[in-house]
Amino acid sequence: GAGVSQTPSNKVTEKGKYVELRCDPISGHTALYWYRQSLGQGPEFLIYFQGTGAADDSGLPNDRFFAVRPEGSVSTLKIQRTERGDSAMYLCASSLQVTDTQYFGPGTRLTVL
Amino acid sequence: AQSVAQPEDQVNVAEGNPLTVKCTYSVSGNPYLFWYVQYPNRGLQFLLKYITGDNLVKGSYGFEAEFNKSQTSFHLKKPSALVSDSALYFCAVKRGGGADGLTFGKGTHLIIQP
Repeated sequence: GAGVSQTPSNKVTEKGKYVELRCDPISGHTALYWYRQSLGQGPEFLIYFQGTGAADDSGLPNDRFFAVRPEGSVSTLKIQRTERGDSAMYLCASSLQVTDTQYFGPGTRLTVL
Repeated sequence: AQSVAQPEDQVNVAEGNPLTVKCTYSVSGNPYLFWYVQYPNRGLQFLLKYITGDNLVKGSYGFEAEFNKSQTSFHLKKPSALVSDSALYFCAVKRGGGADGLTFGKGTHLIIQP
């Protein structure tokens, strides 16, 4: 079956611009997670959704970052006023339940010039 | 707060030899432990997990891992390494039964030499 998909695969933007990153989870998975992976580091948790609601957004670095999942399936990570330090790989994962294995998408590589 | 340590940035093993990639963790309560592998320009692929039960868990591609509660370790092992096993390996933990995100280690580059 189809895995987690993320679009775009690469995004290059200029400092100060707004970007949106999209995640399509595995069909039927109720839990959806966003992570950020900087070069040479492991992924760092940003936010997770159970259904439509953000159940834990404690990993979001500041209020420039926001995510939504309006219909409980597709999610969008939104970054306002991008900074060079936001450059990283953004990974999305989904799981059937919050206690189950998380399956990851291929990621979106964001570069802020 | 939970944490994961992967003490080796890189592990070099000759093809056909056994391999071990080390992982220790810290978490409150019972841990859920995971190993993922990342190939260049690819996402993370799930290898195996420990939730409860037998301390030795078997996963994909012939990998296995042993949960040791007293040493708070979850080392990844394989009896006979293949060149195709060369990749970046991540250990991760979450609080058992908790609705948390995973906490990952920094990763270990595994290089299998022909």
